[in-house]
Amino acid sequence: SQQGEEDPQALSIQEGENATMNCSYKTSINNLQWYRQNSGRGLVHLILIRSNEREKHSGRLRVTLDTSKKSSSLLITASRAADTASYFCATDAGANSKLTFGKGITLSVRP
Amino acid sequence: DTAVSQTPKYLVTQMGNDKSIKCEQNLGHDTMYWYKQDSKKFLKIMFSYNNKELIINETVPNRFSPKSPDKAHLNLHINSLELGDSAVYFCASSQVRSRRENTEAFFGQGTRLTVV
Repeated sequence: SQQGEEDPQALSIQEGENATMNCSYKTSINNLQWYRQNSGRGLVHLILIRSNEREKHSGRLRVTLDTSKKSSSLLITASRAADTASYFCATDAGANSKLTFGKGITLSVRP
Repeated sequence: DTAVSQTPKYLVTQMGNDKSIKCEQNLGHDTMYWYKQDSKKFLKIMFSYNNKELIINETVPNRFSPKSPDKAHLNLHINSLELGDSAVYFCASSQVRSRRENTEAFFGQGTRLTVV
C-alpha cells in the first residue's frame, strides 16, 4: 500500500525562487527520506530525517518533519534550472526493511 | 566506480519471452531491492533481500523470480513476459541498522523494459 503522498503533483517556478514540496504519510516511521530523479535516471538520495528530528539542512535543502501531523516538507532555496527533476519522499516504517515511496512531484525551474 | 549497476539499460522483447536483469552493488550493503516504476512514475517495491534472504515479496506475479547468489548481487528473472510488464525496473541497495531501520538507498540507473 502507498505510504507517502506528495503535493503538489507538479510545480513550476522561476529560477531563484524557493520551491516547497510536501509529503504526508499514514503510519509511524523510523525515518523519512527525500530523493530526486532526473529524467531517464535512477533516484538519488537527498536527505534523511529521523522520527526524533524536526528539521534538517543540507546545502540549499531544508527538510522539516511533523510526526504529529504525519507530514514533511522539502524546501529548495534559490532554485536553479538544474533542480528540474521529480522529487520523491520515502518512508521507512521499519517493518521488513521496506522503503515506501510516494508518487513524486515534478518540479520545473524556468531559467 | 558505479555503486549500483544494473544491466541491461534497455530491453525490448516479445511477449512470451523470458528475460533477466542483473544487478550488482559494491557498497557492502546487506539489503538489496527491486522496484518497478510505471509510466506515471509511481515507484513500487517488488522484492527485498537481506544477506541473500528474501525479506519482502510484494504482490508480484510468480513469473517474476529474484535470485541472490551473494549479498552483492540480486538478479531478476521474468518468465512469459506480458505487455503490462513494460516499465522501468530499478535495483537498489541500502544498509539496514540494528533496529531494522533503513539508511539511504542507492539506486541503479534503471532498466527500461518494453514488451511488444
